[in-house]
Amino acid sequence: NAGVTQTPKFQVLKTGQSMTLQCAQDMNHEYMSWYRQDPGMGLRLIHYSVGAGITDQGEVPNGYNVSRSTTEDFPLRLLSAAPSQTSVYFCASSPREGQTNQPQHFGDGTRLSIL
Amino acid sequence: AQSVTQLDSQVPVFEEAPVELRCNYSSSVSVYLFWYVQYPNQGLQLLLKYLSGSTLVKGINGFEAEFNKSQTSFHLRKPSVHISDTAEYFCAVRTTSGTYKYIFGTGTRLKVLA
Repeated sequence: NAGVTQTPKFQVLKTGQSMTLQCAQDMNHEYMSWYRQDPGMGLRLIHYSVGAGITDQGEVPNGYNVSRSTTEDFPLRLLSAAPSQTSVYFCASSPREGQTNQPQHFGDGTRLSIL
Repeated sequence: AQSVTQLDSQVPVFEEAPVELRCNYSSSVSVYLFWYVQYPNQGLQLLLKYLSGSTLVKGINGFEAEFNKSQTSFHLRKPSVHISDTAEYFCAVRTTSGTYKYIFGTGTRLKVLA
């Protein structure tokens, strides 16, 4: 029972580099989200998806792209990394509307440093 | 729009003492309310949730929370804490319909002292 799997766990980038943070879930959840966690700011929603082919912006979407070609995968792309994007990134998933007795499941996070 | 306020950024408490972590929210529509716990270097785990019904909600690890609609609060309590409860605790809301977005508070770091 893998749940939500995030890779990599750690990454160091140089300013201007691009990379993709991977997120996969094996629970057939329709809803998936990306958050960033910064000290004193809690979790802030970057992008979310309510199903394959459907994505929308959260609170802090600038500098990030997402796509949802399958139910299982929801990658987060940094096109040109900036030091302000140094953070811990969490992916989460949950079942569709009508099953809110089920919790939102979180991955273990990706710790990203931009030099 | 919804917002969540956790006024206490850090709460130190001695082992076996009671604790209350405060959460206030703002929303013009009905919301679901959640408390999550995060242990060091881990993701978030659900402690408890309020969806409807009884305003006193019991969760895992002996935690409970009370939904107070008039005060727009959802404070988390535990009558006797353990060293293992040391963690960061997040309050979150989402609307009962429409957008799927969860809004999180800034977190409260609970430190249990021996």
